[in-house]
Amino acid sequence: DGGITQSPKYLFRKEGQNVTLSCEQNLNHDAMYWYRQDPGQGLRLIYYSQIVNDFQKGDIAEGYSVSREKKESFPLTVTSAQKNPTAFYLCASSIVPGGGEQFFGPGTRLTVL
Amino acid sequence: AQKITQTQPGMFVQEKEAVTLDCTYDTSDQSYGLFWYKQPSSGEMIFLIYQGSYDEQNATEGRYSLNFQKARKSANLVISASQLGDSAMYFCAMSSIYNQGGKLIFGQGTELSVKP
Repeated sequence: DGGITQSPKYLFRKEGQNVTLSCEQNLNHDAMYWYRQDPGQGLRLIYYSQIVNDFQKGDIAEGYSVSREKKESFPLTVTSAQKNPTAFYLCASSIVPGGGEQFFGPGTRLTVL
Repeated sequence: AQKITQTQPGMFVQEKEAVTLDCTYDTSDQSYGLFWYKQPSSGEMIFLIYQGSYDEQNATEGRYSLNFQKARKSANLVISASQLGDSAMYFCAMSSIYNQGGKLIFGQGTELSVKP
């Protein structure tokens, strides 16, 4: 079955630690996105990638980093520089940038202890 | 700047009745897409329906239809024959290829509760 997988589902981090959230898709989509969702709010864009080996900052990129070495993979690292990292993180992909529907993964809920 | 406004934080509907969730948008782009997503308590975002800015007919997908009024910049979601499983958060979103790789801009969401 085609789709997007994210792991882990739940992640706990101590202050000062970097953590990496996994996002993998087997849809052969060019574009991939990372969004952050805070309680009671809509999603905000962290980073996006339109093609392999290229990525761009979104609206709230500070304290985050990404890589896109393979078409199917777009991992997100939450660094210790991110002041308030506790949130729900969603990865998405679309066939081409701006090409209609974005498919979402199941999300990772990150909690900083 | 692009913006999505959902003015109904919460809505109640009786099972089997129809309900309309409001969405207005603001953009200066001529080409854009409008989306509705459903987010149940599990957290996943489920795509419901899409309307392109140049589509003349309103989009429909099963029990979901999008009431697109371009001049008023509104894109309301209509759910017919509500079911208990429709209880969830609903987000209206828009995208433009000219804006950050087609990122989705989301509204604040509407929480729908279906009563038996």
